[in-house]
Amino acid sequence: GAGVSQSPSNKVTEKGKDVELRCDPISGHTALYWYRQSLGQGLEFLIYFQGNSAPDKSGLPSDRFSAERTGGSVSTLTIQRTQQEDSAVYLCASSLRSAEVSWETQYFGPGTRLLVL
Amino acid sequence: AQSVAQPEDQVNVAEGNPLTVKCTYSVSGNPYLFWYVQYPNRGLQFLLKYITGDNLVKGSYGFEAEFNKSQTSFHLKKPSALVSDSALYFCAVRDRNPSSASKIIFGSGTRLSIRP
Repeated sequence: GAGVSQSPSNKVTEKGKDVELRCDPISGHTALYWYRQSLGQGLEFLIYFQGNSAPDKSGLPSDRFSAERTGGSVSTLTIQRTQQEDSAVYLCASSLRSAEVSWETQYFGPGTRLLVL
Repeated sequence: AQSVAQPEDQVNVAEGNPLTVKCTYSVSGNPYLFWYVQYPNRGLQFLLKYITGDNLVKGSYGFEAEFNKSQTSFHLKKPSALVSDSALYFCAVRDRNPSSASKIIFGSGTRLSIRP
């Protein structure tokens, strides 16, 4: 596609439920990143994929958070047993080359706004 | 610890006046520096980046940023503001070390408001 797409755009869930957030990167982009943007705060790095592997998952806040990427393309971020503090906008980004090319521009999707009641 | 500071939560400027959005960083070595803009209900859009060379970097929509190594700053500027520039602006840094390059460290954001 023309840009990074994310779905759903909005998700409201009850505390304790599991949610899955999807990211479709720009076609051909090898690197994929997940970030979290909490109200009034900057962006927080969660995890980085190079192809289907995740060399850096140091930003995942707890073991309730996991992510996978298949076919070097689509990625899913899963949050198990959601808590109210998980409420945030979850942004996905992709770049053409790997993170080692660290001047590479990242292209961001519109985000998924998650609200945990 | 590596960090990025955007000391102003909000900047208000009259249309046609010059604008500056401040950013300072505390990162070891010489990082790569970025500015992104976020419009309401939209993802972040890349504005410009500093890699090496000329300290004045020109980017999209008439924005530019000046890298100042001694002050560890990378302030965003525009000579003449437009109402359409009103948005949330993020400064970001990234380590040149490939082993730690996957993380971008973002500032907390500055909301720019341009009044007609």
